[in-house]
Amino acid sequence: GAVVSQHPSWVICKSGTSVKIECRSLDFQATTMFWYRQFPKQSLMLMATSNEGSKATYEQGVEKDKFLINHASLTLSTLTVTSAHPEDSSFYICSANSGYNSPLHFGNGTRLTVT
Amino acid sequence: SQQGEEDPQALSIQEGENATMNCSYKTSINNLQWYRQNSGRGLVHLILIRSNEREKHSGRLRVTLDTSKKSSSLLITASRAADTASYFCATGSQGGSEKLVFGKGMKLTVNP
Repeated sequence: GAVVSQHPSWVICKSGTSVKIECRSLDFQATTMFWYRQFPKQSLMLMATSNEGSKATYEQGVEKDKFLINHASLTLSTLTVTSAHPEDSSFYICSANSGYNSPLHFGNGTRLTVT
Repeated sequence: SQQGEEDPQALSIQEGENATMNCSYKTSINNLQWYRQNSGRGLVHLILIRSNEREKHSGRLRVTLDTSKKSSSLLITASRAADTASYFCATGSQGGSEKLVFGKGMKLTVNP
């Protein structure tokens, strides 16, 4: 089945630094990937839609300069949290779609802790 | 914005019992999907039901969809302790977008 690999699974960084999270589709090509953020015991909040070869589409209220998304190939999208602050601490999850009207395939998430 | 709303938000049952979760949504959809999430992990797709389908089965899972009521239900039969997880419904909207909107989720605890 379709596999999405997300790396790292957890990261601790100091306030002010930047953190890059990778999302790879291992056995299929994904023209579109999605980045979600999840707070404890809450649902997934869509942050942005990552489109291969073009700019990402951000949801309302999500700062595009804060959360940089790059989708340089059909199998890789990256999310960079720039100048991280403690309030950016969260669980970030990526997903990819293997086709229209098909299920999303999720990575295992990245737990970001900003100290 | 969230569209799906699961009900109940938490459910605790004994192993062997059936678990039913309901999901309501607001706008027209292309499909409705159910996912499960173990604590601290990504989501795993369970089942997808298209807007022109009314019922679907997969192993111990049974999903129904009532587009007139804008609701869906997920039934897990003969539950096991390993079914303990959070369950989310998600809707794919009409209009061609691949974007899914997730509900708030429901925490299922199956006691051995």
